[in-house]
This record gives sequence, structure tokens and C-alpha cells, in this order.
Amino acid sequence: EPEVTQTPSHQVTQMGQEVILRCVPISNHLYFYWYRQILGQKVEFLVSFYNNEISEKSEIFDDQFSVERPDGSNFTLKIRSTKLEDSAMYFCASGGQGSSEAFFGQGTRLTVV
Amino acid sequence: DQQVKQNSPSLSVQEGRISILNCDYTNSMFDYFLWYKKYPAEGPTFLISISSIKDKNEDGRFTVFLNKSAKHLSLHIVPSQPGDSAVYFCAASAGGTSYGKLTFGQGTILTVHP
Repeated sequence: EPEVTQTPSHQVTQMGQEVILRCVPISNHLYFYWYRQILGQKVEFLVSFYNNEISEKSEIFDDQFSVERPDGSNFTLKIRSTKLEDSAMYFCASGGQGSSEAFFGQGTRLTVV
Repeated sequence: DQQVKQNSPSLSVQEGRISILNCDYTNSMFDYFLWYKKYPAEGPTFLISISSIKDKNEDGRFTVFLNKSAKHLSLHIVPSQPGDSAVYFCAASAGGTSYGKLTFGQGTILTVHP
């Protein structure tokens, strides 16, 4: 069964460093998303991406964040200068045309120290 | 942000009985609702969804009911199995350009006892 895969599964980084979280969405999907879940809190929407551009983003997704689909298969989330409060589980998801069902990867646990 | 609320943090059910998980929402723009299941250290797994034009959708042991006037939905699992033990999230989407932008509830931990 097709699935969304994310790498790495766990990333530890120093505060102020840049991190790139990587995702391979399901191959025929056209919509791509990043969500995050801070420990003990809700899963929160960060950004949606369609047709090579951001279609919607939340207040969390400030100038420190960016997304890219560099090669037609990968979808990346970059955090330019990490803060302690960026520590969370980051989930990539993808969805097909005309569908609200998003299929999630297993997540990357980001720990900022 | 309390647009989607799951008021029961946990639910404990005997194997073979019915599990009923509840969810309330406040945003009238939501027109598509989904349930996800999540195991520890995994991503949410899509279970079942319902459009606002329906009041019920069934898939095997899982049925979702939508009461638009009450802004309430529920997930019924029958019969419950120990493998159903997980965190269940309700999520909602406003459609249009917000397709796939999901607003999640805080989750309900379901424990099914053998």
C-alpha cells in the first residue's frame, strides 16, 4: 500500500541551527501538507502546498519556515533558525485531487536543545 | 483554538462492545469531517470521513454520524477489538481553498479490554 515516508525519524539540533525535514508523499498525490504536534497538544496545521506553491499557511508558519518540492518527489520543510519551542513531532501528509483526506507519514521528532 | 473539541480524554470499553467517540465543532464553515487513529510513535491513520451533505457513513465496523444542527459528530466502533486501542482524533475541513487544511480535536484515548 502506498505510504508517505519521512526522514529522519528523530532530529536533534542546537538552537539557532537550520533543519530540513524531508518527506516523500504518495506518488500520484497533488496536495502536500505539514502539520506538527507539540507534546501534549493538538495536531496543528502548518502549511499546504499545491501546484508548486503555498496554498494556505497558519500563523505558526512564519518567515522562519519554508517549504519546497525540489525534484518532483520530495517535499521538504526548512526551519531557518530553530527555537526551543519548535521542538515537536512534525508530520508530512499528502492528498489526492478533490479529496479532503490527508494521508500522514510516521513523523519526524524534532528536538531543539 | 477550540473549533474542534473532543471532551472525553479517554474511554475504556470491553472487547465486543460498542465504542462511541464524540466530537463537537463550532465553525459553521466546516463541511467535511474525518476520524483518524494514532498509535504511539506513528502518524495519524485515516479511518473514515463524512461530508456535511450526509448524516451517516459506514465502513465495516466503523460508522460516523453527523448532526449538523448540533454541530456534533460521533464515531461508533462495533464490535470493539483490543487492536482498536489507540488515540482517536476528530478533524474538520472547510473545503474550497482550505481543502485538506484540517483542524484537529485534542484526541480521545480508547482502551479496549480483552
